[in-house]
Amino acid sequence: GDSVTQMEGPVTLSEEAFLTINCTYTATGYPSLFWYVQYPGEGLQLLLKATKADDKGSNKGFEATYRKETTSFHLEKGSVQVSDSAVYFCALRQGNQGGKLIFGQGTELSVKP
Amino acid sequence: EAQVTQNPRYLITVTGKKLTVTCSQNMNHEYMSWYRQDPGLGLRQIYYSMNVEVTDKGDVPEGYKVSRKEKRNFPLILESPSPNQTSLYFCASSYGTGVNSPLHFGNGTRLTVT
Repeated sequence: GDSVTQMEGPVTLSEEAFLTINCTYTATGYPSLFWYVQYPGEGLQLLLKATKADDKGSNKGFEATYRKETTSFHLEKGSVQVSDSAVYFCALRQGNQGGKLIFGQGTELSVKP
Repeated sequence: EAQVTQNPRYLITVTGKKLTVTCSQNMNHEYMSWYRQDPGLGLRQIYYSMNVEVTDKGDVPEGYKVSRKEKRNFPLILESPSPNQTSLYFCASSYGTGVNSPLHFGNGTRLTVT
């Protein structure tokens, strides 16, 4: 079945460092891809999305490009801030599976001043 | 403000005592769903609903019930909770299941069953 694999955390960075969180997927068909962020004690918030190959999703300085040839959707940010500390989830969705979001395990990011 | 509202945020109960977690959305979304989040297992779908009176099982439906009598509400019912249902629960909604319909999540309900 479809699946999403993320790099394991926790990831600890200093403020202003470059961030990459790797995400690869296995899916039949053409899924939509998402990154969600979960701040401590809160629900999941949509960070960005991409709906077809070569699409780039971006929001709040974060970017991810839908790479069909490598089945990847890596999350990047050029300069992280302490306020970016959270758990990041990569996910895919296909309309023919009851609208289910299939999540990766999540990657915890901790940014130190 | 567009949102998905879950209640309660925290709940501690005992084995076998029926409980309901409510979920309401104000975005006129047709699709609603419940997930549970467990350490090491990520988020897994419990039940979903494509529209009023249309519900179906997700990946982990055992021990749960849902109903969709109105478009905005999608309660999760645990008829006889057990300790293995201790988890963090999220309700989510979207316009549909198409590629441009991202899921919007509530803030979660942390349930402890002793």
